[in-house]
Amino acid sequence: KNQVEQSPQSLIILEGKNCTLQCNYTVSPFSNLRWYKQDTGRGPVSLTIMTFSENTKSNGRYTATLDADTKQSSLHITASQLSDSASYICVVSVVNRDDKIIFGKGTRLHILP
Amino acid sequence: DAGVIQSPRHEVTEMGQEVTLRCKPISGHDYLFWYRQTMMRGLELLIYFNNNVPIDDSGMPEDRFSAKMPNASFSTLKIQPSEPRDSAVYFCASSLSRGLAGLSTDTQYFGPGTRLTVL
Repeated sequence: KNQVEQSPQSLIILEGKNCTLQCNYTVSPFSNLRWYKQDTGRGPVSLTIMTFSENTKSNGRYTATLDADTKQSSLHITASQLSDSASYICVVSVVNRDDKIIFGKGTRLHILP
Repeated sequence: DAGVIQSPRHEVTEMGQEVTLRCKPISGHDYLFWYRQTMMRGLELLIYFNNNVPIDDSGMPEDRFSAKMPNASFSTLKIQPSEPRDSAVYFCASSLSRGLAGLSTDTQYFGPGTRLTVL
């Protein structure tokens, strides 16, 4: 069964600290993986997109990594800011005759001043 | 561009009533997606359109849900009759392409969502 599991469910860190969010998937055959940021009360916003041939992608202080062999991805946030408080959602696309987009349930990140 | 526009932003209705959610995608985008988000299940894809034609509605929970896209700039999601378990945030998103090739054009742009409460 195609699944996307994210950990931790929630995370609290102090402003200025780094953190890493995890995404494990069992999706096959794999097409691409996205990380979205969703602020409270808003729709998700795309942070990074990676195909199976890419193993890292950066967007400012956000760096996503992908290991297609172990089917793991991580999102690393450097020097966190209060505005990073949000949910981060991992999304994996399947390529087969039933093309699907599988969403993780997200990690809720709280940045404390 | 104003981005994806959804209305209403909030809707409170009673069980059994008909609910219609509206979406205006970004001009020029060929794909439109409807999602539902709850705490328990996260984001779920309900249906998506390509050039106004429904392509995959396998995520639509049951016959009470229907979606239409009469033209390139407007789509509706209708629930009739509504039930308390339909309470959720409903998002509309649009993109230039389907979102399976990992290209920047695949990026889906989400609207602000409609928070639906069915009493």
